[in-house]
Amino acid sequence: GIQVEQSPPDLILQEGANSTLRCNFSDSVNNLQWFHQNPWGQLINLFYIPSGTKQNGRLSATTVATERYSLLYISSSQTTDSGVYFCAVDGNYGQNFVFGPGTRLSVLP
Amino acid sequence: GAVVSQHPSWVICKSGTSVKIECRSLDFQATTMFWYRQFPKQSLMLMATSNEGSKATYEQGVEKDKFLINHASLTLSTLTVTSAHPEDSSFYICSAREIQGGRNSPLHFGNGTRLTVT
Repeated sequence: GIQVEQSPPDLILQEGANSTLRCNFSDSVNNLQWFHQNPWGQLINLFYIPSGTKQNGRLSATTVATERYSLLYISSSQTTDSGVYFCAVDGNYGQNFVFGPGTRLSVLP
Repeated sequence: GAVVSQHPSWVICKSGTSVKIECRSLDFQATTMFWYRQFPKQSLMLMATSNEGSKATYEQGVEKDKFLINHASLTLSTLTVTSAHPEDSSFYICSAREIQGGRNSPLHFGNGTRLTVT
């Protein structure tokens, strides 16, 4: 089945810093989403982005489907950005929504 | 926006009892819903795909007789953990996709159910 990798696994930032999270996938996809899981376990949908670039406030994401990767940019990070960021993909060949291992982000005041 | 409601948000039960978790799509219809399990500090793992009006499809290694799934309508799927044991303690999350979008549309997630079996 499709493999999803994320890097880095852990990231510690000072408040105000910028960061880039990466998601690599092993096959072509119908769907790619980025999520933020908060400390209570709630999954917040950040972007639905099978291709192209989107921006939402301090966050933006770019997916280059032909090269099988996606990037999530966080600018001017805040302590409330702390948590785990997951990317998840739907493979083109029937594999249902597969999650990457996540990037655990800690933003320090 | 599309909302998925999951209930209960947490439950504690005794070993050997059964627990039912509900997943509802509040403002859209979904022929397919997905159930995930997440252990502490791990990613979400797909357990099964729930299909309205037909049998669920289970991922390899997931016991279908232990995790009973019923998708009785286009807005409701239930997961019943039967004869629960402490190792079943986990965070269970459901998700759903709008019928109209097909596979080329986003998945919407519930807020999860934290199950603790004592």
